[in-house]
Amino acid sequence: QKEVEQDPGPLSVPEGAIVSLNCTYSNSAFQYFMWYRQYSRKGPELLMYTYSSGNKEDGRFTAQVDKSSKYISLFIRDSQPSDSATYLCAMSGEGNQFYFGTGTSLTVIP
Amino acid sequence: NAGVMQNPRHLVRRRGQEARLRCSPMKGHSHVYWYRQLPEEGLKFMVYLQKENIIDESGMPKERFSAEFPKEGPSILRIQQVVRGDSAAYFCASSPINGNTEAFFGQGTRLTVV
Repeated sequence: QKEVEQDPGPLSVPEGAIVSLNCTYSNSAFQYFMWYRQYSRKGPELLMYTYSSGNKEDGRFTAQVDKSSKYISLFIRDSQPSDSATYLCAMSGEGNQFYFGTGTSLTVIP
Repeated sequence: NAGVMQNPRHLVRRRGQEARLRCSPMKGHSHVYWYRQLPEEGLKFMVYLQKENIIDESGMPKERFSAEFPKEGPSILRIQQVVRGDSAAYFCASSPINGNTEAFFGQGTRLTVV
C-alpha cells in the first residue's frame, strides 16, 4: 500500500467552478500537510501548508485536514484557466522526508 | 529574495558518464532535500542534508549516487556511470529549519541519458 494515494485525474472543469482535490494516507504519524502546484516542466510551487487537523484558507484556496479519516482536501473557488496544472499533496511526520501523492492533473476550460 | 536555484536546467549525458547537479538554497535556508521525479510518478525522496552533514540518505541508491552540501557553495548531487534508468527530473528543495516546515522547490534539472 502506498503511503499517499491521490487520484491522478485528469480533471476538467469550466471556468468559475469549485474544484475539489483529495488525498488519502495510511500513516497515522503524519502531522504536516502541504499542497503544491506544478506547471508542466516546472518545479512544484508551495500553495498551502497546514499542521494537524483543521481548515486553512488563503484567497481562493482552502485546505482541509481530517486526521481521523486520514483524508486531506484542497478546494479552489472561482477556478481560472491559470489554475490548470498538476496538484500534488505532500505530508510528513517526525522524519525528514515528505511523502508525495502522484498528482492530479487539472484543466480549467475558459 | 531569489528562490531555490538549480543548474543546469537540462543535462544530457551518455551512458557511463558522470552527472553533477547543483542546488543553491534560498537565502537563510540551511536544509536541503533532493527528490527525483519519474514520468507518471510522484516525487521520491532521495537525501536530506544540512551544511557539511548528510542527515538522511535513506532514499538514495547505495551505488553510483552521492550528495554533499559543503560549508561554502551549492549542494551537489553526483551520479556516476549514469544509465538510461537515471533519466528523470531531479528537484532540490530547501527549508529554513529542520524537516517539517514549508519546503520550497527549485525548477529542477532534467537529466537525459542517451
